[in-house]
Amino acid sequence: SAVISQKPSRDICQRGTSLTIQCQVDSQVTMMFWYRQQPGQSLTLIATANQGSEATYESGFVIDKFPISRPNLTFSTLTVSNMSPEDSSIYLCSESVGTEAFFGQGTRLTVV
Amino acid sequence: AQSVTQLDSHVSVSEGTPVLLRCNYSSSYSPSLFWYVQHPNKGLQLLLKYTSAATLVKGINGFEAEFKKSETSFHLTKPSAHMSDAAEYFCVVSDGVYNFNKFYFGSGTKLNVKP
Repeated sequence: SAVISQKPSRDICQRGTSLTIQCQVDSQVTMMFWYRQQPGQSLTLIATANQGSEATYESGFVIDKFPISRPNLTFSTLTVSNMSPEDSSIYLCSESVGTEAFFGQGTRLTVV
Repeated sequence: AQSVTQLDSHVSVSEGTPVLLRCNYSSSYSPSLFWYVQHPNKGLQLLLKYTSAATLVKGINGFEAEFKKSETSFHLTKPSAHMSDAAEYFCVVSDGVYNFNKFYFGSGTKLNVKP
């Protein structure tokens, strides 16, 4: 299995500000993934983060709103920029090992 | 494109009775399929996975699922529900077996277990 640590675990932020979420994995992986889980809804993939290249965003998500960094094979950050209450969600990072994906505990973000 | 449809948003069963959570998938490739469980305020836990081997897959906690290509289904079952099974269950498809890339989640099914 894999161990994925996310920081912060939760935060309450003012609208218009930005929050950077950190994700640390316990082994080197090529791909890391960022998901959003809006209240009462399922998980939606935001983007795939490969080390050494720009992240690949899913439809409906853009780099200006969700910039991602992937400086090495065990770490990634997701920034939620210029936040609004609609960004209140749980954000999860994930890595895949073989044919299985592992998820962090998530960052619960509330925008007020 | 890959997608999954979970046919029931809520399922309620009595303790000791069978559980059936339904999932249909759409995939352009040979899919890998998974069931994850999320207990309240907990992280996601893998229950079981199908990756083109045996079509009947056994997972943890007595759960199993059968891959039926002709029906594009991957329903989750358990013979006898336990109170601790109350959680939300997600059916998930990925876009390949050996080129595993990213997951697409169903909308989730909340399982309620009555005493």
